Amino acid sequence: KNEVEQSPQNLTAQEGEFITINCSYSVGISALHWLQQHPGGGIVSLFMLSSGKKKHGRLIATINIQEKHSSLHITASHPRDSAVYICAVLGGATNKLIFGTGTLLAVQP
Amino acid sequence: DTGVSQNPRHKITKRGQNVTFRCDPISEHNRLYWYRQTLGQGPEFLTYFQNEAQLEKSRLLSDRFSAERPKGSFSTLEIQRTEQGDSAMYLCASSFYRGNEQFFGPGTRLTVL
Repeated sequence: KNEVEQSPQNLTAQEGEFITINCSYSVGISALHWLQQHPGGGIVSLFMLSSGKKKHGRLIATINIQEKHSSLHITASHPRDSAVYICAVLGGATNKLIFGTGTLLAVQP
Repeated sequence: DTGVSQNPRHKITKRGQNVTFRCDPISEHNRLYWYRQTLGQGPEFLTYFQNEAQLEKSRLLSDRFSAERPKGSFSTLEIQRTEQGDSAMYLCASSFYRGNEQFFGPGTRLTVL
């Protein structure tokens, strides 16, 4: 079992829909990252959080430390949101990120 | 551009050849990380530096792989005697201190024929 699990692995949505991507982890962490990766490889950090909730534009990230679970929400989705979304945790005793396998999101016009 | 840069962006090589990649982190960041990502998978940790010291190496980093950060600024990742299984995207990231946000470079895509 992977230390970081994401669901769903693939998601197709219609433009305007509310999207939720989930991340569960099994290790102790000091922080959790949500990352976006477009075709071609570049990774952009969307959020880093260790508790509660963060919002940036149409993106919202939440984390429940007790349940070891985080969600990334996209409101009013747009085709430009199409990308791979990756959850990664910073282990409590290490300095490395442990990544999920990503969620491939396709938003259709 | 003051972000993390990596060179080259793409490298095609024949099996058995040596390759070297370079990463230039954000200038004030003292931590530098190398990750590898194969097709359809999330990135996996390879190694990280704090300044010029290599503090942790993954078991994925076989003896054909070596990484350096001689002056605590840019870093190089060398793969000797490349194998087809080395084909992947090699990502570099930097951060200011432990626990802070990591900023990623565009990656170097390696194809071993």
